[in-house]
Amino acid sequence: QQPVQSPQAVILREGEDAVINCSSSKALYSVHWYRQKHGEAPVFLMILLKGGEQKGHEKISASFNEKKQQSSLYLTASQLSYSGTYFCGTEYKTNAGKSTFGDGTTLTVKP
Amino acid sequence: NAGVTQTPKFRILKIGQSMTLQCTQDMNHNYMYWYRQDPGMGLKLIYYSVGAGITDKGEVPNGYNVSRSTTEDFPLRLELAAPSQTSVYFCASRAEGSSGYTFGSGTRLTVV
Repeated sequence: QQPVQSPQAVILREGEDAVINCSSSKALYSVHWYRQKHGEAPVFLMILLKGGEQKGHEKISASFNEKKQQSSLYLTASQLSYSGTYFCGTEYKTNAGKSTFGDGTTLTVKP
Repeated sequence: NAGVTQTPKFRILKIGQSMTLQCTQDMNHNYMYWYRQDPGMGLKLIYYSVGAGITDKGEVPNGYNVSRSTTEDFPLRLELAAPSQTSVYFCASRAEGSSGYTFGSGTRLTVV
């Protein structure tokens, strides 16, 4: 079952913050996040396992709320290089090792 | 380390032709995947493998076949190409445990 990402698109000015959400209707085992630039392959950012942990990668961090079956990606003090499409991939307890991806959130950071 | 290598990068096929997309990884990862990505959309799982000799269907397997005879290689075969198979194909691998996917650079396939 495909996770639902919101919003579909975000436009920011440099230095502003953004939050991207990834929700599932099934019990999650893990959530992983990727950024894809136009015409390139997705690049792994971070993975979160059940337990509500939060992880960070430069000024990008994420949380995993097991009760809500939701993960959020936080981008703080955005830079031009953050522009791209962000995907979450989810693994379910019944099917660990096989991920389903959301349709992506396009982030545009303007000067 | 080369990571995940896909060939070819671009290909144009005529309707009804067949081809094999090659994927090789040098990280000794057990898990390998094939995804397709249509314009402006997310990644749809075609087939995956949890180890040599083991493959399983994903969300959109129709029209495709795979094999996994070695840990390193995971080729994707398209039989009787159709315009609906026009897409960008990504191969990916991951280690067991809590690690992310490493994607290849993709193959852009057009069926005319």
